Amino acid sequence: KNEVEQSPQNLTAQEGEFITINCSYSVGISALHWLQQHPGGGIVSLFMLSSGKKKHGRLIATINIQEKHSSLHITASHPRDSAVYICAVRLLPGGGADGLTFGKGTHLIIQP
Amino acid sequence: NAGVMQNPRHLVRRRGQEARLRCSPMKGHSHVYWYRQLPEEGLKFMVYLQKENIIDESGMPKERFSAEFPKEGPSILRIQQVVRGDSAAYFCASSPGTDREAFFGQGTRLTVV
Repeated sequence: KNEVEQSPQNLTAQEGEFITINCSYSVGISALHWLQQHPGGGIVSLFMLSSGKKKHGRLIATINIQEKHSSLHITASHPRDSAVYICAVRLLPGGGADGLTFGKGTHLIIQP
Repeated sequence: NAGVMQNPRHLVRRRGQEARLRCSPMKGHSHVYWYRQLPEEGLKFMVYLQKENIIDESGMPKERFSAEFPKEGPSILRIQQVVRGDSAAYFCASSPGTDREAFFGQGTRLTVV
């Protein structure tokens, strides 16, 4: 079982819809990251969270430490939001590798 | 302040050759991480370095792979005697410290022919 699980794997929606991508993890973490990757492109860091909620433009990220769960929301989705969204966690010291541990990503397509 | 710079963006090597991938972290960042993304797979941690030190190389294959982050100049990920299975996108990320937000480069896409 992966330490970081994302759902759904694939998501196709119409422009304007409210999008939710979920991430669950099974280990102790010091921080959770949401990343965006366009096909053949680089990786952009969207959020780093250790508690609560963050908002940037149309993007909102929340984390529930007790339930080991995070969500990424996109309001008023647009075709340019089409990308792979990746959840990644930093394990607590001594819990494993010092780098990030990644989910497999959610492939999001927003149709006009 | 330029972002994390990786070069080359694309690299083609024949089996048995050496591949050298470079990563210049953001200004003021002394922590560098290398990650590998195999085709149709997720990202995997390889190695974490600070200036002149390898902190964690638990994700690095034991043979043919090495990494360094010298006092001056970029971090280098070196793959000797490349094989087809090394074909992947290699990403570098830098941060100013532990538990600080990391910023990623555009990646180097290595193709072994």
